[in-house]
Amino acid sequence: DQQVKQNSPSLSVQEGRISILNCDYTNSMFDYFLWYKKYPAEGPTFLISISSIKDKNEDGRFTVFLNKSAKHLSLHIVPSQPGDSAVYFCAAKLAGNQFYFGTGTSLTVIP
Amino acid sequence: ETGVTQSPTHLIKTRGQQVTLRCSSQSGHNTVSWYQQALGQGPQFIFQYYREEENGRGNFPPRFSGLQFPNYSSELNVNALELDDSALYLCASSFGSGTSYNEQFFGPGTRLTVL
Repeated sequence: DQQVKQNSPSLSVQEGRISILNCDYTNSMFDYFLWYKKYPAEGPTFLISISSIKDKNEDGRFTVFLNKSAKHLSLHIVPSQPGDSAVYFCAAKLAGNQFYFGTGTSLTVIP
Repeated sequence: ETGVTQSPTHLIKTRGQQVTLRCSSQSGHNTVSWYQQALGQGPQFIFQYYREEENGRGNFPPRFSGLQFPNYSSELNVNALELDDSALYLCASSFGSGTSYNEQFFGPGTRLTVL
């Protein structure tokens, strides 16, 4: 039972343009949503999070939007840079610190 | 400040064997979570240890067990290995009260292959 879904396995974007990564979830009890970035041979690295009581959180070039009614969140990267090329995982947390991850989206930023 | 480290980096076992994976948490962290990442999938939560006690468990059978030591390092033990246990096993540490959320820092993982 996949409670967090990333339906786009890959995304290619030109350098300088916006990258939009999407994530859908099914469990309305999730209280935190997070995005992680993963390079090959490394563990995931935390990027940005958002509480379920917010609808937007911004950190530099990264913005996460949460639409609770649609059970959807998205990560916007503006402007995209070649160093952003990585696999991005969406994750959601239940109280009690159980985390559920999506299957990841591989982002390629073309110079 | 030392990050999260895991050992070994790679491991090959045969079906039915037992395996122990190790994780050293980041300095100052008291919580360790273990995840299994199969090929092409996202990490799946196995369990979490907070101050040496199990503090949450995902949908994994009892042959997956763990320990956390007084220095907050941790072990993941898997008995009666099956082919489907082949995966990358990730450890993540954080500092928390057991119920609050705090950022997790992941180790590089242990790649387990079961033949």
